Amino acid sequence: NAGVMQNPRHLVRRRGQEARLRCSPMKGHSHVYWYRQLPEEGLKFMVYLQKENIIDESGMPKERFSAEFPKEGPSILRIQQVVRGDSAAYFCASSLQSGTGNGYTFGSGTRLTVV
Amino acid sequence: GQQVMQIPQYQHVQEGEDFTTYCNSSTTLSNIQWYKQRPGGHPVFLIQLVKSGEVKKQKRLTFQFGEAKKNSSLHITATQTTDVGTYFCAVFTGGGNKLTFGTGTQLKVEL
Repeated sequence: NAGVMQNPRHLVRRRGQEARLRCSPMKGHSHVYWYRQLPEEGLKFMVYLQKENIIDESGMPKERFSAEFPKEGPSILRIQQVVRGDSAAYFCASSLQSGTGNGYTFGSGTRLTVV
Repeated sequence: GQQVMQIPQYQHVQEGEDFTTYCNSSTTLSNIQWYKQRPGGHPVFLIQLVKSGEVKKQKRLTFQFGEAKKNSSLHITATQTTDVGTYFCAVFTGGGNKLTFGTGTQLKVEL
């Protein structure tokens, strides 16, 4: 009865490297959402995915960031050529259905530090 | 796009005092959710309000949805140190596809 699983919990990358963040939703949940939280700030929506489909990526930076949720395996948030400003906590959430009526279950997050 | 403002941004209280955070929207909301995030932790869903004027209670927490469905409040009676954290309201935007979070209220409880 595991919740939303994110790994790694902490990730350190040098500027210019790639960061790959993984998220396995709760069992039975097919809707995945990624959020970014800068230190001492709120949660900013990045992208909403269903299996093999990106539904809404309006919060995703146009360059260097991509997300996928393949038919098999976890959802992946990929950040290429990381910069110091990418340092943040990245949270994944899942829900049973999309839209109103459902609370999101969040994972423990990945804290990315770019040095 | 849809924005929800929360006040206050920070609140320091003595243990045993009450605490209230408010969430305001310029447009009518279909529903509103509340989340709590402990320091260093992740957001945890608390409750959803749907009906105009709705009031729900969870032990010392009271959640209220305004009559016009444009504002909501979370009230904690007799705060405890376990209440420390940031409380966020959240509403569905973008055609209901994404949950947009308010700015949050950070609560600190001092002994």
